[in-house]
Amino acid sequence: AQKVTQAQTEISVVEKEDVTLDCVYETRDTTYYLFWYKQPPSGELVFLIRRNSFDEQNEISGRYSWNFQKSTSSFNFTITASQVVDSAVYFCARGTSYGKLTFGQGTILTVHP
Amino acid sequence: DTAVSQTPKYLVTQMGNDKSIKCEQNLGHDTMYWYKQDSKKFLKIMFSYNNKELIINETVPNRFSPKSPDKAHLNLHINSLELGDSAVYFCASSQDLIQGRGNTEAFFGQGTRLTVV
Repeated sequence: AQKVTQAQTEISVVEKEDVTLDCVYETRDTTYYLFWYKQPPSGELVFLIRRNSFDEQNEISGRYSWNFQKSTSSFNFTITASQVVDSAVYFCARGTSYGKLTFGQGTILTVHP
Repeated sequence: DTAVSQTPKYLVTQMGNDKSIKCEQNLGHDTMYWYKQDSKKFLKIMFSYNNKELIINETVPNRFSPKSPDKAHLNLHINSLELGDSAVYFCASSQDLIQGRGNTEAFFGQGTRLTVV
């Protein structure tokens, strides 16, 4: 099976610290898609970002940034100046061309005031 | 307007019962999915349908039967419920892109927490 690995099970930080969530994926496909989702305590799954395998450009959206490196099969997610509202479970996922998502195990992020 | 809506949000039932979870999306998407999230938060795809046609069936017991009456609806029927079926079930939808560019991001419903007692 082509896995997605989020090595950090839980991360705990204090507000305003920067935090990076790691994601490493396996794939035999030439074309694939990478995603991050957030699951806050309320339980819904919130889409954060989608990247195509042919586009390695990094992305910044406010306090969020993503670093995609095909050479190391990694798609890491950094939150700058973390806030208590960032506390959630974050999932990295790899998608196929027909839409199937394979999720990592999730990283529980707790931001303390 | 809720983009992907599932009902019910909570479902508590006894072993051996049959139950259904309904899902509707108003995004005009072509593809719909069911995912299962277990007690350890692990998310795994169960089924996907594209324009009412089954595309993915991930070795799910045949007690689970998806039904798609039209491309905006994908319901999940579960027969003879077992304790191990207790989980959160998420419905999702995404849009096919043209020219081999895959699907857009999946939008998820709020989940249905199924508890089998």
